[in-house]
Amino acid sequence: GAVVSQHPSRVICKSGTSVKIECRSLDFQATTMFWYRQFPKKSLMLMATSNEGSKATYEQGVEKDKFLINHASLTLSTLTVTSAHPEDSSFYICSARSGGNTEAFFGQGTRLTVV
Amino acid sequence: AQKVTQAQTEISVVEKEDVTLDCVYETRDTTYYLFWYKQPPSGELVFLIRRNSFDEQNEISGRYSWNFQKSTSSFNFTITASQVVDSAVYFCALISLSFNDMRFGAGTRLTVKP
Repeated sequence: GAVVSQHPSRVICKSGTSVKIECRSLDFQATTMFWYRQFPKKSLMLMATSNEGSKATYEQGVEKDKFLINHASLTLSTLTVTSAHPEDSSFYICSARSGGNTEAFFGQGTRLTVV
Repeated sequence: AQKVTQAQTEISVVEKEDVTLDCVYETRDTTYYLFWYKQPPSGELVFLIRRNSFDEQNEISGRYSWNFQKSTSSFNFTITASQVVDSAVYFCALISLSFNDMRFGAGTRLTVKP
């Protein structure tokens, strides 16, 4: 299957700082990318959907100003957690899909710890 | 609306036992896709299978088999002769053409004991 690379796999940051997570589709053009958050022992919760060149669509309850999503090219989307707090600590996973394909390919995930 | 229900939160079996993980879904669309993913402790999602709504044929892949029944909106996953390496969280997911995103069930944590 197609490859989606997510970076970094782990990050520890101080409260109040911002953290950027990258999601790249390596061998296909991702017209749509999804960002999920997973709390310990919980399911994946969709945070937002982004289409290349458009503003992201956020799910209810997700703060747009806190979780900035940029999908500037067909191979890259970024999630920036701004002014991080310990409660933002979580596992974040991206997935990408090309236009005519219904299967979404997942990145390896990023474990964020805010101290 | 789209919804995926995995009623079994945790299952524990002894090695070599067969185990079935249940998945029930809801969608108004007639065209949709169902998935199963495995999430080992490392956190990475491992794709297991995709099935479209027009293909109700059951599938077998080694020790894994899937039973798709549109009449009951279920897409159950069976592991035959389970092994310790099968221990993981398994997620069922749904994507439909009307909704751009993939929705996940709550996941079932499978523990296979030696």
